[in-house]
Amino acid sequence: AQSVTQLGSHVSVSEGALVLLRCNYSSSVPPYLFWYVQYPNQGLQLLLKYTTGATLVKGINGFEAEFKKSETSFHLTKPSAHMSDAAEYFCAVSESFGNEKLTFGTGTRLTIIP
Amino acid sequence: GAGVSQSPSNKVTEKGKDVELRCDPISGHTALYWYRQSLGQGLEFLIYFQGNSAPDKSGLPSDRFSAERTGGSVSTLTIQRTQQEDSAVYLCASSVSRQGASDTQYFGPGTRLTVL
Repeated sequence: AQSVTQLGSHVSVSEGALVLLRCNYSSSVPPYLFWYVQYPNQGLQLLLKYTTGATLVKGINGFEAEFKKSETSFHLTKPSAHMSDAAEYFCAVSESFGNEKLTFGTGTRLTIIP
Repeated sequence: GAGVSQSPSNKVTEKGKDVELRCDPISGHTALYWYRQSLGQGLEFLIYFQGNSAPDKSGLPSDRFSAERTGGSVSTLTIQRTQQEDSAVYLCASSVSRQGASDTQYFGPGTRLTVL
């Protein structure tokens, strides 16, 4: 069985500051890992994903995440926060074989302070 | 091209009534997923269709929930005898889904269901 833990249901950062959203996972098989963003009253949009290969993954809007197998982590970062980054962020995992259903974390709501 | 569409966008119903939620996936996508997003449970998987294979229904919370996918395209999620705890946003996603790959799931805007 898979599970995802996102530490911090709410995170606030100042505009221009570093954004760090934490995600830890458990999986019995090599995982595929995803970060999705949900803006107010909108659907989920993929930010980035890790499948195989390079462990540092770059996504849209300046976000990136690093897969660390030894720490079972896939933290999301952005060097400089922008007001438009305010949204809810979900980390998700799927198995690398067979059914690709996503198991989501509980989400982190990011607030940007002007 | 067009994304995943869902209808209705909002549905208010009375406890005990049946509801049908519709999902139109991206053309050519063989995999279709239903998820539910609620305050108490977060985002949870409900059911998965892949081509002509038997669907994975392991996430359906009770036998009041069912789904079908006709012609490998449009899908309908039906909830019978709705209960207040069924209130949630129901999300549909589709992907190209070559098995063993990691194709991105594209999500629709969701249907917000409110059971009074």
